[in-house]
Amino acid sequence: AQSVTQLDSHVSVSEGTPVLLRCNYSSSYSPSLFWYVQHPNKGLQLLLKYTSAATLVKGINGFEAEFKKSETSFHLTKPSAHMSDAAEYFCVVSDSGNSGYALNFGKGTSLLVTP
Amino acid sequence: KAGVTQTPRYLIKTRGQQVTLSCSPISGHRSVSWYQQTPGQGLQFLFEYFSETQRNKGNFPGRFSGRQFSNSRSEMNVSTLELGDSALYLCASSPGQDYYGYTFGSGTRLTVV
Repeated sequence: AQSVTQLDSHVSVSEGTPVLLRCNYSSSYSPSLFWYVQHPNKGLQLLLKYTSAATLVKGINGFEAEFKKSETSFHLTKPSAHMSDAAEYFCVVSDSGNSGYALNFGKGTSLLVTP
Repeated sequence: KAGVTQTPRYLIKTRGQQVTLSCSPISGHRSVSWYQQTPGQGLQFLFEYFSETQRNKGNFPGRFSGRQFSNSRSEMNVSTLELGDSALYLCASSPGQDYYGYTFGSGTRLTVV
């Protein structure tokens, strides 16, 4: 089964500084990887996805992630944090089985942005 | 384009009762999957339906069941509710292949008392 590990449960940055949220994956083949964000009491919003095309993936709101096969990593970055970026972020891998799909979520990283 | 609609938004049930949650996917999406989110276990996959057929199932007891209708709308049912079933239940829709990504609804918050 495919899985992901988010290396930090909490990350705190100052507004205007870079954001780095770390994710490692475990997969026996080239995976489909996603980053989702969840604001308090809201559903999940897709930030970006990697599906074996370009290794550097650009998403919404200035976020991007780089797929590194040699390091089995898919870290999420943003050059400059905004207060509205404060939320829970999930690294996700798609696991296929019985011809269907299931998303396996990491435990989440809570991003705090301070003024 | 309308998003994924889940109803109801909030639900309070008593132990032993059963509950049915509804999900209307994005128009044209044929895959609907369900997830349970709790503080302790995080987000866990329940099941996935595609064109009225269950394609994949997570590790949940048989009290959790679902179905999909010909218009792709889906329902999930939980029978004999337990306190531990209290959670946010999220529905996601997709055209059918994982590389499209998944669009989630706002969820149904179920509280079992």
